[in-house]
Amino acid sequence: NAGVTQTPKFRVLKTGQSMTLLCAQDMNHEYMYWYRQDPGMGLRLIHYSVGEGTTAKGEVPDGYNVSRLKKQNFLLGLESAAPSQTSVYFCASSYSRGAYPVSTDTQYFGPGTRLTVL
Amino acid sequence: DQQVKQNSPSLSVQEGRISILNCDYTNSMFDYFLWYKKYPAEGPTFLISISSIKDKNEDGRFTVFLNKSAKHLSLHIVPSQPGDSAVYFCAASGRNSGYALNFGKGTSLLVTP
Repeated sequence: NAGVTQTPKFRVLKTGQSMTLLCAQDMNHEYMYWYRQDPGMGLRLIHYSVGEGTTAKGEVPDGYNVSRLKKQNFLLGLESAAPSQTSVYFCASSYSRGAYPVSTDTQYFGPGTRLTVL
Repeated sequence: DQQVKQNSPSLSVQEGRISILNCDYTNSMFDYFLWYKKYPAEGPTFLISISSIKDKNEDGRFTVFLNKSAKHLSLHIVPSQPGDSAVYFCAASGRNSGYALNFGKGTSLLVTP
């Protein structure tokens, strides 16, 4: 049971390049999330998905796209990377949201992807 | 606007003593609160949580206290161990507050031998 895994762990891009970050979970969770963490900040939600085939914008969605073609995978894409997207990206998943018991809201995180855009 | 605030960026405690990490929130709609622990170069790891219907939850050396009237929660670690040295994030969510966990900026705990 690997939990939440992320690929790659590190990446360096030049401004304008594109890339896709892959998140996979083996906990059969319905909900998946992409966060970014910048120095001295808490995690901020980029996009999330409430089930296969559905995605929605979070707090900081600009410059990113996502897809959830399979329940276990959630992809984050950068079409044209910018230096402001230099950050550590975390994927998370949860069993449910807004359900009872509330403990099913607990989000479990992957190890992160450190992205640098030059 | 930061809805979850951890006003102490760092805390140093001696091994064996109690560590108390504090967290304040502003959104009265939050009804579920979590603490995550994060080591460098790793993802946040879920530590303990509490629902707004409770005022205390305990798990081994970790206890979370919730004071709804003050919109304040705290994490107590007793006794503190060197392996507890990490960044601790407080997070909150609510039924009507969207899908994100709202995170504080974290408190870096150092437990010295």
